[in-house]
Amino acid sequence: EAGVAQSPRYKIIEKRQSVAFWCNPISGHATLYWYQQILGQGPKLLIQFQNNGVVDDSQLPKDRFSAERLKGVDSTLKIQPAKLEDSAVYLCASRQKTGGHEQYFGPGTRLTVT
Amino acid sequence: AQSVTQLGSHVSVSEGALVLLRCNYSSSVPPYLFWYVQYPNQGLQLLLKYTTGATLVKGINGFEAEFKKSETSFHLTKPSAHMSDAAEYFCAGNNAGGTSYGKLTFGQGTILTVHP
Repeated sequence: EAGVAQSPRYKIIEKRQSVAFWCNPISGHATLYWYQQILGQGPKLLIQFQNNGVVDDSQLPKDRFSAERLKGVDSTLKIQPAKLEDSAVYLCASRQKTGGHEQYFGPGTRLTVT
Repeated sequence: AQSVTQLGSHVSVSEGALVLLRCNYSSSVPPYLFWYVQYPNQGLQLLLKYTTGATLVKGINGFEAEFKKSETSFHLTKPSAHMSDAAEYFCAGNNAGGTSYGKLTFGQGTILTVHP
């Protein structure tokens, strides 16, 4: 079974530029999560999707961050414009709809904003 | 609201020694609890989980953890450390129900160093 895929793995941009990250969850997993992991900290949830609907985006900085999961499979997270404090690893995770409470994580995208 | 606290940001052990990584949680409802491991430049890999039933749970790579409700703890142990265990470990929890169902709250992480 293929795991959670993310791309790109690394991205360097200047502040005020825009960037987008892509995630393909494990096949059949209805729930998808985006986390932000700042160096030295645990991951923090940004947004949670159930199929193509948003369940929780309370921690998403909506003035600059947006995310979508149009067909209930792949998802894209966008930052526009980026700030220096957005430098972090962005992790995507997915979970089965029923049972299996654990989340499965992708390798992450390391973003550096200069 | 739930919180997860990992005691000790860095733990150092000798190869072959006992590994003990501490995790405490606070929750208004019985939580589901998880330990994840993260190797450099990689995502998080599930080590083990507690949902219901037996309070001593065994995971991959020889790790185990015990859920102690009276102590609100879920410490991770391994009898004998191996060099390959060097990584960062995260304790996480979510509520068993309610509007935050499925949302994981992570601890700050503990970096494990294993000396030859």
